[in-house]
Amino acid sequence: DGGITQSPKYLFRKEGQNVTLSCEQNLNHDAMYWYRQDPGQGLRLIYYSQIVNDFQKGDIAEGYSVSREKKESFPLTVTSAQKNPTAFYLCASSTLLGYTFGSGTRLTVV
Amino acid sequence: KQEVTQIPAALSVPEGENLVLNCSFTDSAIYNLQWFRQDPGKGLTSLLLIQSSQREQTSGRLNASLDKSSGRSTLYIAASQPGDSATYLCAVMAGAGTALIFGKGTTLSVSS
Repeated sequence: DGGITQSPKYLFRKEGQNVTLSCEQNLNHDAMYWYRQDPGQGLRLIYYSQIVNDFQKGDIAEGYSVSREKKESFPLTVTSAQKNPTAFYLCASSTLLGYTFGSGTRLTVV
Repeated sequence: KQEVTQIPAALSVPEGENLVLNCSFTDSAIYNLQWFRQDPGKGLTSLLLIQSSQREQTSGRLNASLDKSSGRSTLYIAASQPGDSATYLCAVMAGAGTALIFGKGTTLSVSS
């Protein structure tokens, strides 16, 4: 079955720690995206990539970093510079026919 | 800058009722518009996608319309069921391959 796999489902981060969220797709989609979802805020774009080895900042990129070394993979690192990282993170990929989303990672700072 | 607004923010209806969810966007130059469903703590499931050249799309009990000139879309749900309870998100794409811009969603509760 083709789809997007996000792992882990739940992640806990200590203050000052970097953590990496995984996103893998087997849909052969060129474009991939990371969104953050907070209660009452809707989805906000963090980073996106339209092709391997290229990516662009979204509206809230500060404190986050990404890489796109393979078409199938688009990991997101939440750095210690992100002061309020507790949120639900969603990865997506797309073609001109529409978007497909993963099941999300819930990140909590402890 | 494109902004997407969804009204109402929450809606409660009895089972069997027909209902309409509204979405408006500020810039009519869109490539397509997509409606999603999100269950609590889950990812997004695509419901309907309307290309900018289309007026509506239908899937089962769902019908989505698009009026680009007025910057509006509606999602019509016929004969609502308790299983329809979820948050419904509207999103627009400005150009081919660009990122979606989302509204904040309408949370629907259907009681039996």
